[in-house]
Amino acid sequence: DAGITQSPRHKVTETGTPVTLRCHQTENHRYMYWYRQDPGHGLRLIHYSYGVKDTDKGEVSDGYSVSRSKTEDFLLTLESATSSQTSVYFCAMAAAAHTDTQYFGPGTRLTVL
Amino acid sequence: KQEVTQIPAALSVPEGENLVLNCSFTDSAIYNLQWFRQDPGKGLTSLLLIQSSQREQTSGRLNASLDKSSGRSTLYIAASQPGDSATYLCAVLEGAGTALIFGKGTTLSVSS
Repeated sequence: DAGITQSPRHKVTETGTPVTLRCHQTENHRYMYWYRQDPGHGLRLIHYSYGVKDTDKGEVSDGYSVSRSKTEDFLLTLESATSSQTSVYFCAMAAAAHTDTQYFGPGTRLTVL
Repeated sequence: KQEVTQIPAALSVPEGENLVLNCSFTDSAIYNLQWFRQDPGKGLTSLLLIQSSQREQTSGRLNASLDKSSGRSTLYIAASQPGDSATYLCAVLEGAGTALIFGKGTTLSVSS
């Protein structure tokens, strides 16, 4: 398996609490992504990063923020979790934006009560 | 807005059959098309990547084709095995950005 991990793997939290999900890679890849996967919607991009401190919004970025202070770590923060953010979150990485496949982490199942 | 459609949504076949999964996309301005496999409760595993200038890619029993002008791709699985049971996802990397646009997948069940 490609060297990309996510933590935690499962989390249950309450509405209104902040939540941070971590993605860690050991491949020194430049590009990293956060997706969410929901029944009926498939996978949708939340935010992505094209380098340290360089990030941009994806299709469903409202309510989420990201940070990348080191090449290997990409953090996704829900400032005030809502029930609509209950989902499975996947992190991915790629060496190049347009020619390389994206390698996905194992996912984090987040439940917001 | 790019849309990716996968047909059928589910497919059941007996072991040993050859099968084809279909993927269509609405905007032909893509960098590449990728096929992934997802097992229940797991992440995505990359199967094949076809660049926009290529027509097909092969890996073992898998062959993927791309017809960019018609907005179609197929994933051919030869001599299916129970271990091939999974959800297969098609995704395109479009020219407008760096995001993969995913279809909703085809869930394949191969019975022994």
